[in-house]
Amino acid sequence: EVQLVESGGGLVQPGGSLRLSCAASGFTFSSYDMHWVRQATGKGLEWVSAIGTAGDPYYPGSVKGRFTISRENAKNSLYLQMNSLRAGDTAVYYCARGGAAMDIYGMDVWGQGTTVTVSS
Amino acid sequence: EIVLTQSPGTLSLSPGERATLSCRASQSVSSSYLAWYQQKPGQAPRLLIYGASSRATGIPDRFSGSGSGTDFTLTISRLEPEDFAVYYCQQYGSSPPTYTFGQGTKLEIK
Repeated sequence: EVQLVESGGGLVQPGGSLRLSCAASGFTFSSYDMHWVRQATGKGLEWVSAIGTAGDPYYPGSVKGRFTISRENAKNSLYLQMNSLRAGDTAVYYCARGGAAMDIYGMDVWGQGTTVTVSS
Repeated sequence: EIVLTQSPGTLSLSPGERATLSCRASQSVSSSYLAWYQQKPGQAPRLLIYGASSRATGIPDRFSGSGSGTDFTLTISRLEPEDFAVYYCQQYGSSPPTYTFGQGTKLEIK
């Protein structure tokens, strides 16, 4: 069964850091681009970052310079290092598999999410 | 940056009716790069449609996508009770790769 399981969420103070992890199983992790997508309570989806199969990272302007995406193919794991966190980063963070390898320019498998709360 | 605007914000229909959801882009989008998702409360999104009109694995054929350029449509031919959810469109932009979501359409039971 194809599965993504996020972990590492929690409560952090403004200006603090947090590292999210995503454990993948049931597919050849190294062959897929991977993403992080977040959703604030009651709001829509926001793409946070992507990483290609070669480890090339991509970010929107809202998190560039503060967030770092990485992957460890030997461990079938995806990470998101979040620094200089702000209240506006409070959200559920989803790990998702990219479908570009199959010409699907979206996310075809999603985890259940991990909650990040930035508050003093 | 391409902005996706979905309409209506909320759509109230009854089971058995036909639903038509719109996604309009601020600039032309390649049909290959337009996807639709369904999200139910407390759940992760689920990919429904990719490449504007291709159904993802396991998606019932009552779901269909169409459109090109700046106007895209998700149609649900006959609504089932489990179809009431929030729907998002999403586009991929290259050089560098970016992904943008619409603000969502809530499909609710009338």
